Amino acid sequence: DGGITQSPKYLFRKEGQNVTLSCEQNLNHDAMYWYRQDPGQGLRLIYYSQIVNDFQKGDIAEGYSVSREKKESFPLTVTSAQKNPTAFYLCASRAGHRDNSPLHFGNGTRLTVT
Amino acid sequence: GQQVMQIPQYQHVQEGEDFTTYCNSSTTLSNIQWYKQRPGGHPVFLIQLVKSGEVKKQKRLTFQFGEAKKNSSLHITATQTTDVGTYFCAGYQTGANNLFFGTGTRLTVIP
Repeated sequence: DGGITQSPKYLFRKEGQNVTLSCEQNLNHDAMYWYRQDPGQGLRLIYYSQIVNDFQKGDIAEGYSVSREKKESFPLTVTSAQKNPTAFYLCASRAGHRDNSPLHFGNGTRLTVT
Repeated sequence: GQQVMQIPQYQHVQEGEDFTTYCNSSTTLSNIQWYKQRPGGHPVFLIQLVKSGEVKKQKRLTFQFGEAKKNSSLHITATQTTDVGTYFCAGYQTGANNLFFGTGTRLTVIP
């Protein structure tokens, strides 16, 4: 079955450490996205990538970095510069960034920083 | 900037009662999508509306897109415990390619 795999499901880190969240898809989608979800809030866009070796900042990119070296993979690094990193992180993909097709989401990674 | 608000934020209903969530955008949307997120899960796409005034049904769920394409609603008839979750609307601003998510409505169904 095709889908999006995020790992790990739960992640714990000490303050001041960088941490990388994995996202892999086998849907052959060009566009990939990272969202952050906090209680009582909608999904907020961190970064997105329309194609390999290209990515753009979303609404809340500060303190995060990404790479897109392969079509299948879009890892997100939460750096020590992110002031409030504890959240639920969702990776998503869709066929093309400009086609308004629906998003397919991974199961998410819940990051806790203490 | 683009804002998509949803009301109510929370809704508790007795099983069998109806439920409606409303989505309002500050700008005109080219289309709107609805997603459902079960507790502990990830958002799952339900439906997309494109035309002004469009109404679509999925069994007990009725989705509506406003005439001005700035608001939308999701109505569930005779809720069941399987309807529990958070419902999000998400819209594309006309001419843009990023999807803006609403704040979500968390539905609790009391058996």
